[in-house]
Amino acid sequence: EDQVTQSPEALRLQEGESSSLNCSYTVSGLRGLFWYRQDPGKGPEFLFTLYSAGEEKEKERLKATLTKKESFLHITAPKPEDSATYLCAVRNTGGFKTIFGAGTRLFVKA
Amino acid sequence: NAGVTQTPKFQVLKTGQSMTLQCAQDMNHEYMSWYRQDPGMGLRLIHYSVGAGITDQGEVPNGYNVSRSTTEDFPLRLLSAAPSQTSVYFCASSYSKLGGARDTQYFGPGTRLTVL
Repeated sequence: EDQVTQSPEALRLQEGESSSLNCSYTVSGLRGLFWYRQDPGKGPEFLFTLYSAGEEKEKERLKATLTKKESFLHITAPKPEDSATYLCAVRNTGGFKTIFGAGTRLFVKA
Repeated sequence: NAGVTQTPKFQVLKTGQSMTLQCAQDMNHEYMSWYRQDPGMGLRLIHYSVGAGITDQGEVPNGYNVSRSTTEDFPLRLLSAAPSQTSVYFCASSYSKLGGARDTQYFGPGTRLTVL
């Protein structure tokens, strides 16, 4: 059964303090791994899609990486506006369903 | 483009009542889906559609019905509301069911439903 586990559940950082969020996954065949950002009271907003181990993508202070078992979302020198819940999801090659993790709530204090 | 729109934003129902959550997209997307989001559980897929006239069940389909008569609209019907259906509901769409960059999902703003 496809499964996604994110850690930690919550992460508190000082502004400028770099860190990483983890997404461990089990999937029969990976079509894609997705990262989303969700602000309170809003729908998830797409950040990245990764397709194969070794792939990396960057956007401003965020960098996503992928191995055969997990993905990391690295946050470099975060700012308070990076505070949000970050969701990881996978889709397998055999179907049309996307499985989401429970998310990591990130708090960045000025 | 308005993207993915959902109505209503908030709804309170009594146990046993029925209602329809509306979802529409104006991006000519082929794939549409409904999720519910509960604290600590992430997003769980209820139903999805890979095109007009084609729907299938997700992880938690019981108590919900869907239909897709047009490309644009994908309503979610609660047949007889129960307190366990209290949740935030999100509709999402993507260009293609076939994968690659085109299966990036775009989400609506959500409907917050409370069943008393």
